[in-house]
Amino acid sequence: DAMVIQNPRYQVTQFGKPVTLSCSQTLNHNVMYWYQQKSSQAPKLLFHYYDKDFNNEADTPDNFQSRRPNTSFCFLDIRSPGLGDAAMYLCATSRDLTSTDTQYFGPGTRLTVL
Amino acid sequence: AQKVTQAQTEISVVEKEDVTLDCVYETRDTTYYLFWYKQPPSGELVFLIRRNSFDEQNEISGRYSWNFQKSTSSFNFTITASQVVDSAVYFCALSEASDDKIIFGKGTRLHILP
Repeated sequence: DAMVIQNPRYQVTQFGKPVTLSCSQTLNHNVMYWYQQKSSQAPKLLFHYYDKDFNNEADTPDNFQSRRPNTSFCFLDIRSPGLGDAAMYLCATSRDLTSTDTQYFGPGTRLTVL
Repeated sequence: AQKVTQAQTEISVVEKEDVTLDCVYETRDTTYYLFWYKQPPSGELVFLIRRNSFDEQNEISGRYSWNFQKSTSSFNFTITASQVVDSAVYFCALSEASDDKIIFGKGTRLHILP
């Protein structure tokens, strides 16, 4: 009974070829987050949506975009992937902002850039 | 500024031994939240516990226990009678009530040897 679902689990793309990662949730949570996690590092927050309000981290490259068409779905678009964008991408949700609620993570999508 | 330090990069213990993972945090807020997450080799981040700054009561859940001490700004995690399935990277994290972000430590990679 997965609550935060990420598809695909593994994604291979070519250098410069746009790629979209998908996240869906069955929890009806207000907040959805996208994190990038490189090997042996902690997850790094890219951005989050509180309902339809988008909040971008200051150091997130413009190459990364996100869409949230409805409560359940959130997409991460990488417009021109570089080799340095190869990483695990984690989606998370919380009922409210983290200061008052817990984030629950999906299984992640491991992105390979050739 | 908030900061989470997990000084132990990697730990190896033999199955059935007890092991403690250390976490030290820094924050200027009086209201904050501490978390532990487990990341097995499959990649998903599994929520283990959330503790708020006003609740210093230690918690036990099966073989897992947590020791929260505000006096030393520590939130340590102990696994009793470790099992091979406990092998994972464990992240300690902090969120301040004044912020909507969760700051992760760098993680401790735990190897349970059969």
